Amino acid sequence: AQSVTQLGSHVSVSEGALVLLRCNYSSSVPPYLFWYVQYPNQGLQLLLKYTSAATLVKGINGFEAEFKKSETSFHLTKPSAHMSDAAEYFCAVSDPIYNQGGKLIFGQGTELSVKP
Amino acid sequence: ETGVTQSPTHLIKTRGQQVTLRCSSQSGHNTVSWYQQALGQGPQFIFQYYREEENGRGNFPPRFSGLQFPNYSSELNVNALELDDSALYLCASSRADSGNTEAFFGQGTRLTVV
Repeated sequence: AQSVTQLGSHVSVSEGALVLLRCNYSSSVPPYLFWYVQYPNQGLQLLLKYTSAATLVKGINGFEAEFKKSETSFHLTKPSAHMSDAAEYFCAVSDPIYNQGGKLIFGQGTELSVKP
Repeated sequence: ETGVTQSPTHLIKTRGQQVTLRCSSQSGHNTVSWYQQALGQGPQFIFQYYREEENGRGNFPPRFSGLQFPNYSSELNVNALELDDSALYLCASSRADSGNTEAFFGQGTRLTVV
């Protein structure tokens, strides 16, 4: 069975500081991995995805993530935080064999706060 | 290109009642997935519909049911509502083509059961 663990339910950074949100996964097959962002009272927006191509994935709004098979990790980073980055972030995994898009297993989420 | 739209945006129901939530998929998409997101939690997969048939189901009881229509829009029905059904219900649409990986989410329906 697949699962996702996000380390840290709350992360607080200063504006301009590095953002690092941690995600570890468990999967019996090479997975597809995703990061989504959710602003208050809104749905989920895809930041980036890993689908077995390049291990370093660049997404929108300056975010990137690196797939590390040996560590079963897919941590999300951004070099310099902006106030507008404050939101809830979700890591998700899917099985590429059965994936038709949309069958996702999500982590519990990490709330990112950005201090001025 | 229209995005995924859900209706209603908010809903209040009484325990024991039935509710129907609606989702219009993004243009060109033929697959709809439904998720339940309880407060402070990540979304939980309820089920997926592809070509009007259920195509996978999460750990939800049979009182959670769905439909997909020929235009690929979808409904989520919940019978005998319980207080724990209070949550944000998210719909995601995607296209089941080879290599397709991305799901697009709607804004959600906030259901409150009292």
